[in-house]
Amino acid sequence: KNQVEQSPQSLIILEGKNCTLQCNYTVSPFSNLRWYKQDTGRGPVSLTIMTFSENTKSNGRYTATLDADTKQSSLHITASQLSDSASYICVVSAGFSGGYNKLIFGAGTRLAVHP
Amino acid sequence: GAVVSQHPSRVICKSGTSVKIECRSLDFQATTMFWYRQFPKQSLMLMATSNEGSKATYEQGVEKDKFLINHASLTLSTLTVTSAHPEDSSFYICSARDNTDTQYFGPGTRLTVL
Repeated sequence: KNQVEQSPQSLIILEGKNCTLQCNYTVSPFSNLRWYKQDTGRGPVSLTIMTFSENTKSNGRYTATLDADTKQSSLHITASQLSDSASYICVVSAGFSGGYNKLIFGAGTRLAVHP
Repeated sequence: GAVVSQHPSRVICKSGTSVKIECRSLDFQATTMFWYRQFPKQSLMLMATSNEGSKATYEQGVEKDKFLINHASLTLSTLTVTSAHPEDSSFYICSARDNTDTQYFGPGTRLTVL
């Protein structure tokens, strides 16, 4: 069964601190993995995308890693800001017949950055 | 990046009425759009896949007669919640897929049924 599991479910950190969010997946066939940021009451916005051959991808203070062997990914946030408070969703794209991919969503990690 | 819009962003309606939500891809053509529902503190759940010029494909457990989907053009898909009830209150998000098989999400529509 295709699944994406994220941890922790929620996280509270102080402004300026770093944090790392985890994503484990059992999706086959694997196409790519994206991390999205979703602000409350808004749609998800893509932060990073990684294919099978990519180990790391950065977008400003966000750095994602991918270990395709262990099927694990992480999202590291450096020097957190209050505006980083949001849900972070790991989404794995599974490649199916017909050429189109199906998205498998994790439940998300709710991050709260406090001053 | 590509932009997807939704309208309205927020709607409140009485039980038993119907509500239409629009999803538009503003700067690209999308033969396929997707409709998701998201309950509080939960992730997105795919409701249906909307294909331009053909019938939508609904996920298991989603009532096609209750959630009417129309994809009349390459830039517009609509979701109509018919005879809405309080349990239909949710956050509805659409996405549009471009020719690189990338999905771009809309900002969402908050539906509250009284």
